[in-house]
Amino acid sequence: DSGVTQTPKHLITATGQRVTLRCSPRSGDLSVYWYQQSLDQGLQFLIQYYNGEERAKGNILERFSAQQFPDLHSELNLSSLELGDSALYFCASSKGGIVYEQFFGPGTRLTVL
Amino acid sequence: AQSVTQLDSQVPVFEEAPVELRCNYSSSVSVYLFWYVQYPNQGLQLLLKYLSGSTLVKGINGFEAEFNKSQTSFHLRKPSVHISDTAEYFCAVSEGLQGAQKLVFGQGTRLTINP
Repeated sequence: DSGVTQTPKHLITATGQRVTLRCSPRSGDLSVYWYQQSLDQGLQFLIQYYNGEERAKGNILERFSAQQFPDLHSELNLSSLELGDSALYFCASSKGGIVYEQFFGPGTRLTVL
Repeated sequence: AQSVTQLDSQVPVFEEAPVELRCNYSSSVSVYLFWYVQYPNQGLQLLLKYLSGSTLVKGINGFEAEFNKSQTSFHLRKPSVHISDTAEYFCAVSEGLQGAQKLVFGQGTRLTINP
C-alpha cells in the first residue's frame, strides 16, 4: 500500500460525458501528479500540482483539467469524453522536487462506451 | 526533453534463471533514474533509484541496476527470478526545474517467468 488513494476504482461512461477522478496523496506529500496509461501511448505525464499550484504540464488535452485543494487532495476532470480517453489514470504523490520518488495510487480505470 | 528507451517489449525466462531488462536514456547533465514494477491490476511500485554516487544500485526483491554514463544505460538485473516476478517493468527518468517535475517513462518490458 503506497498510501495514495484514488476513487473510483472503475468508471464506465458514454461519449460526450464528463467525469471527475479523485486522489488523496500520502500524508506529508505536497506534490500530486496525474498520469495516463494506455496501450498505444504508454505512461504519459499529464500534470503536476504542488501545494495547490500548478507546476508542470505535460500532454494534457484542453478537455481535461485538474486542481489541488487546500487539504491537498486533487481532482482530475475529463469532459466531452471520447472513446480514445479510455485508459488507466494514475495519481502519484511526492515531497516535490526532482530527486524524490513518486508514490503511485492503484489507478482509476476509465471506460468510455 | 529527456527520453527513455526500453529495448525489449517482452522478456520470457525460466524460473531461477538470471534476467536483464535493458533501459537507455537520452543524455543530460544530471540524471535521476528509476525502475518501477507494475503487477497485474495494480499501481506502480518503486524497485530502485539512482540519484548519484555508486553506479550499482540495489533495490527491493533482489533486483539491482547499474548506471553507465558512457553508454547512457540503466539496465535492471536479477540473478535468479521467481514466478512472483511476473510483471511489467518501467524505466523512468525524472526531469524538471525549480519545483516542476515529471517522470518520463519507457514503454515498459513485460517479464514472464515460466516454470
